[in-house]
Amino acid sequence: DVKVTQSSRYLVKRTGEKVFLECVQDMDHENMFWYRQDPGLGLRLIYFSYDVKMKEKGDIPEGYSVSREKKERFSLILESASTNQTSMYLCASTPGGELKGGELFFGEGSRLTVL
Amino acid sequence: AQSVSQHNHHVILSEAASLELGCNYSYGGTVNLFWYVQYPGQHLQLLLKYFSGDPLVKGIKGFEAEFIKSKFSFNLRKPSVQWSDTAEYFCAVKRNAGNMLTFGGGTRLMVKP
Repeated sequence: DVKVTQSSRYLVKRTGEKVFLECVQDMDHENMFWYRQDPGLGLRLIYFSYDVKMKEKGDIPEGYSVSREKKERFSLILESASTNQTSMYLCASTPGGELKGGELFFGEGSRLTVL
Repeated sequence: AQSVSQHNHHVILSEAASLELGCNYSYGGTVNLFWYVQYPGQHLQLLLKYFSGDPLVKGIKGFEAEFIKSKFSFNLRKPSVQWSDTAEYFCAVKRNAGNMLTFGGGTRLMVKP
């Protein structure tokens, strides 16, 4: 089974702090994604990466950056956390150059609260 | 911009009732369509998908969905729900080319025993 592991299930940070969310997948997938999930808004794509050191902006990249130094690891960075970034963050991966098959494999999520 | 609409945010049903969850999208080109499910405390997982061919697709756990191109819709159905179907359901759309899935806002389904 594909395993997508997010390093922290729950985090509480203060406004202005730098936040790192890490995601690791064990299936050698080329594509990795970061979404945020908010009630009534569904999942919104923040960034995705289709290869090491490659990244593309999603629909809501403002206030976020990402890093992909190794194929299996995709990190989401909040340089200066704000209260409106309180959310559930979901990492996902999928094999292939283009989104083959369309199935994303998701991690269990990281719930971030910014005070 | 491409958008995906799920008109029912919360649905409450009794066991054995029939289910239909609506999904409409705005993109006019060729699309691939998906339904994902998130059971309480679990990660999102694929329920079913449509790429081409028969517009009526069957997924896991007795779910099916029908693609109606003229209505830009991909509604999810199940003839008889069970308490274990309590979950949040997300419709998603991918353009034929590209790596981005656009998700709807989700529908929370509660099935009363």
